[in-house]
Amino acid sequence: VQLQQSGAELVRPGASVKISCKAFGYTFTNHHINWVKQRPGQGLDWIGYINPYNDYTSYNQKFKGKATLTVDKSSSTAYMELSSLTSEDSAVYYCASEGGLYYGTFAYWGQGTLVTVSA
Amino acid sequence: DIQMTQSPASLSASVGETVTITCRASENIYSYLAWYQQKQGKSPQLLVYNAKTLAEGVPSRFSGSGSGTQFSLKINSLQPEDFGSYYCQHHYGTPYTFGGGTKLEIK
Repeated sequence: VQLQQSGAELVRPGASVKISCKAFGYTFTNHHINWVKQRPGQGLDWIGYINPYNDYTSYNQKFKGKATLTVDKSSSTAYMELSSLTSEDSAVYYCASEGGLYYGTFAYWGQGTLVTVSA
Repeated sequence: DIQMTQSPASLSASVGETVTITCRASENIYSYLAWYQQKQGKSPQLLVYNAKTLAEGVPSRFSGSGSGTQFSLKINSLQPEDFGSYYCQHHYGTPYTFGGGTKLEIK
């Protein structure tokens, strides 16, 4: 199992960015894809998950309106779009999958995507 | 939301020592508790889930215990590769939340 994320992004305040997470080595629709935020030198914050089987999403209330989760089953790729970016959104964003374990136990992680919001 | 509180925030120890990190949940999460290790610049790695089940490939010197609101991660005979940050996280329903982390450093 491998989750491969897109590269670092430098974006302007107020803009949006869409980052990707491509899954390898398992049936994409079998496991949720979760997204986690980590600001520099800080802890981990769960953003939400998407069920690739039926496109069902669950968001952390603090990220509703900020993050939008989607998938493309044909390419086994999950996406997270972040809108109205501010300096508070500068962080590394990880995708993670349970990989068959209990929901919410993240056995597999992408390498992370650094998003820098700067003018 | 369930709040997860870890202690200590930082810890200094020597190779060969035994250390314990604790995690407290703001409400009963039964055994729905996971532990992760993160090294600088790397993704977190799952160590333990369901409070005491070691993830695949995790050395047996790691052990998790606890239930309800009090949990701990014990590392016996510290190895050089064990240094880094550790996070607890509940998986008792959404939103999943993480503890603030414990940074384990070499003495």
